[in-house]
Amino acid sequence: GAGVSQSPSNKVTEKGKDVELRCDPISGHTALYWYRQSLGQGLEFLIYFQGNSAPDKSGLPSDRFSAERTGGSVSTLTIQRTQQEDSAVYLCASSLNFPGILRDDTQYFGPGTRLTVL
Amino acid sequence: DAKTTQPPSMDCAEGRAANLPCNHSTISGNEYVYWYRQIHSQGPQYIIHGLKNNETNEMASLIITEDRKSSTLILPHATLRDTAVYYCIVRVANLGNQFYFGTGTSLTVIP
Repeated sequence: GAGVSQSPSNKVTEKGKDVELRCDPISGHTALYWYRQSLGQGLEFLIYFQGNSAPDKSGLPSDRFSAERTGGSVSTLTIQRTQQEDSAVYLCASSLNFPGILRDDTQYFGPGTRLTVL
Repeated sequence: DAKTTQPPSMDCAEGRAANLPCNHSTISGNEYVYWYRQIHSQGPQYIIHGLKNNETNEMASLIITEDRKSSTLILPHATLRDTAVYYCIVRVANLGNQFYFGTGTSLTVIP
């Protein structure tokens, strides 16, 4: 079946521009996660959605970062006034997770969007 | 979530079993052990997870010690395509929270 997809696969932008990154989770998955990975580094958690709600925004690095999810499906991560330190691979994952019900919440990852800020 | 300790790198001959260790001495009773891997320039790939019992699927086997303070991921017949960074993660399932990936073990399968 179709996995998590992300677009664009690569994005090059100039410092100060805004960018939008898109994530299409696996159909039926209620939970969606954003991470970023800088070159040679581990994964850094950014934000998590349960349905359309984001109960944990503590990982967003600054107020230039925001994310939304509509219809319990597609999510968009927006970075305003990009800086060079924002350059990284942005990864999206989804899981079937239903809160309060003991079910597998294994996260499945997309291929990522490589963002380069010049 | 409990922290994990993994060797930074390992080599394995092609066709042989790759045994990747992980220590999680502070694991709680309701925390699962998950394994993911990340091949260069790709997103992390789920491999296997377990709570107490050993688990096996088409990709690998997971052996968890009786005291649950360590585990081993076994790739029974390593191929060149198994060269990747392998992450051992412990977390409480079904909280919808993040995975802490750490630095993992870089496995190189040698022809």
